[in-house]
Amino acid sequence: ETGVTQTPRHLVMGMTNKKSLKCEQHLGHNAMYWYKQSAKKPLELMFVYSLEERVENNSVPSRFSPECPNSSHLFLHLHTLQPEDSALYLCASSRELNYEQYFGPGTRLTVT
Amino acid sequence: GQQLNQSPQSMFIQEGEDVSMNCTSSSIFNTWLWYKQDPGEGPVLLIALYKAGELTSNGRLTAQFGITRKDSFLNISASIPSDVGIYFCAGRANYGGSQGNLIFGKGTKLSVKP
Repeated sequence: ETGVTQTPRHLVMGMTNKKSLKCEQHLGHNAMYWYKQSAKKPLELMFVYSLEERVENNSVPSRFSPECPNSSHLFLHLHTLQPEDSALYLCASSRELNYEQYFGPGTRLTVT
Repeated sequence: GQQLNQSPQSMFIQEGEDVSMNCTSSSIFNTWLWYKQDPGEGPVLLIALYKAGELTSNGRLTAQFGITRKDSFLNISASIPSDVGIYFCAGRANYGGSQGNLIFGKGTKLSVKP
């Protein structure tokens, strides 16, 4: 399944680093999402974009900054992260806002 | 906020056995989705349900949208080793605004019986 791709697949960064996660969807969808998946917790919705406009920001710390330059690409810019931010970050897309979501493989982030 | 209770949290399967898991909500949902996640990968959509009472199959998988609209069930018949993984339910209360966001259960982890 290559409908939604994410890079990098693994990332180790120090707390003072700046890095970006990239997501690309090849499904012609209009909505894209960022989720955080931590062990033993349900998926946490972070950001939602519909037609390149942010429609949801679920009280996410400002050290996470999303960017959606077009309906096929979504970025998550990271800076001055904390060790508790280590998790699997999943990108998803859907045909329209709140329709069935299709996930990418995720980026496993470790903050040291 | 809305919560989903998914059970069991984990279970062991022996090849050939049937498997059942369920998800319950504290409020009414109008959509139920079931996903499977393999290690190191993202969740893959298995089945989507849109109407109370709906029963939908995908190969050996069958899912049902509960009549009360507060629960959903997933059954796997004649399990095989590649069925191992984590199964997530997800529900949506509404199509509009934040009510339209998917709420996820914590997952049911299927492992092979030693």
